[in-house]
Amino acid sequence: EPEVTQTPSHQVTQMGQEVILRCVPISNHLYFYWYRQILGQKVEFLVSFYNNEISEKSEIFDDQFSVERPDGSNFTLKIRSTKLEDSAMYFCASSTSGTSTGELFFGEGSRLTVL
Amino acid sequence: QKEVEQNSGPLSVPEGAIASLNCTYSDRVSQSFFWYRQYSGKSPELIMSIYSNGDKEDGRFTAQLNKASQYVSLLIRDSQPSDSATYLCAVGGSGNTGKLIFGQGTTLQVKP
Repeated sequence: EPEVTQTPSHQVTQMGQEVILRCVPISNHLYFYWYRQILGQKVEFLVSFYNNEISEKSEIFDDQFSVERPDGSNFTLKIRSTKLEDSAMYFCASSTSGTSTGELFFGEGSRLTVL
Repeated sequence: QKEVEQNSGPLSVPEGAIASLNCTYSDRVSQSFFWYRQYSGKSPELIMSIYSNGDKEDGRFTAQLNKASQYVSLLIRDSQPSDSATYLCAVGGSGNTGKLIFGQGTTLQVKP
């Protein structure tokens, strides 16, 4: 069964360092997302991406965050200068439809620990 | 601020019983509703989607939607210990972006 894959599964970094989280969405999906979940809290929307551009972003997704689809398969989230409060599980998701009826499928997540 | 509210629980039911999980949402124009299951330390796994008022059944799971009351629920029949997890209610945001707004989740414990 097709699945969303994410790397790394866990990354530890020092505050102020840059981090890149990588995702390979399901191959026939056209809409891509990043969500995050701070330990014990809600899953929060960060950004949606379609046709090589951001279609929506949340207040969390400030200038330190960026997304890119560098080739036909990968979808990346970059955090330029990490802060302690960026420590969270980051989930990539993809769907066939960007409408509100699209079903999102999540990857296993990348746990980011900022020291 | 658009909100999705769930009772965090834990909800404890004996094996074989029906578990009832509830969710309310604030945005009246929401059109899509989803239930995800999340095991500890794992990613959300889609269980059910529902778009129209009424019931939708899939195996042991039934999703119920009442848009007038802004209420969506999930029933799990014949609950099994393997159903023990956190159940996340998610509501589609407005617009065409596929964004989901999640509730905080209800922890379900099924006791053998």
